[in-house]
Amino acid sequence: GNSVTQMEGPVTLSEEAFLTINCTYTATGYPSLFWYVQYPGEGLQLLLKATKADDKGSNKGFEATYRKETTSSHLEKGSVQVSDSAVYFCALQGAQKLVFGQGTRLTINP
Amino acid sequence: EAGVAQSPRYKIIEKRQSVAFWCNPISGHATLYWYQQILGQGPKLLIQFQNNGVVDDSQLPKDRFSAERLKGVDSTLKIQPAKLEDSAVYLCASSLDSSYNSPLHFGNGTRLTVT
Repeated sequence: GNSVTQMEGPVTLSEEAFLTINCTYTATGYPSLFWYVQYPGEGLQLLLKATKADDKGSNKGFEATYRKETTSSHLEKGSVQVSDSAVYFCALQGAQKLVFGQGTRLTINP
Repeated sequence: EAGVAQSPRYKIIEKRQSVAFWCNPISGHATLYWYQQILGQGPKLLIQFQNNGVVDDSQLPKDRFSAERLKGVDSTLKIQPAKLEDSAVYLCASSLDSSYNSPLHFGNGTRLTVT
């Protein structure tokens, strides 16, 4: 079945730093790839999605490309803010439903 | 649009007691999911409904967990009897349909502590 592995956290950065969170996966078929974000005390929210090979999704300054050749997706943001502190999840949605990675906790210091 | 509503927000029970969680999905969403999120892990699917029928409950511990979605709208998830390892956040989500491109919308979850 599908599986998702994310870089180990937690990740701590200073405000305005460049962010990369790595995600690799194994998949059968042609699943869609999503990045979800979970702010403290809240449920998961969709951050961005990429539905086919080499699609790039973007939202709120975040970008991620669905790279089938390397079975990976890297969430990036050029200049992070304190308000970006949250847990970020990579997920695959296919025939075996939505499978999440373990999440990467991001803390941004002012 | 109104989001996915869940209640209660927090629940503390002793082991061997029973507990129930309630979820009201976004209006018009045919697919409803219950996920279990243990601290430090990603959410794990417990059960998926399409309207009022079960699509996937392969990871639901059926000896103690049950769920229903009457009339294809609201849903309840029950645990009876609870064990210590059931301590987790229980997330309800809904989507327009079950296609690969249909993103899930999550509620804020119910945090269950079993003592």
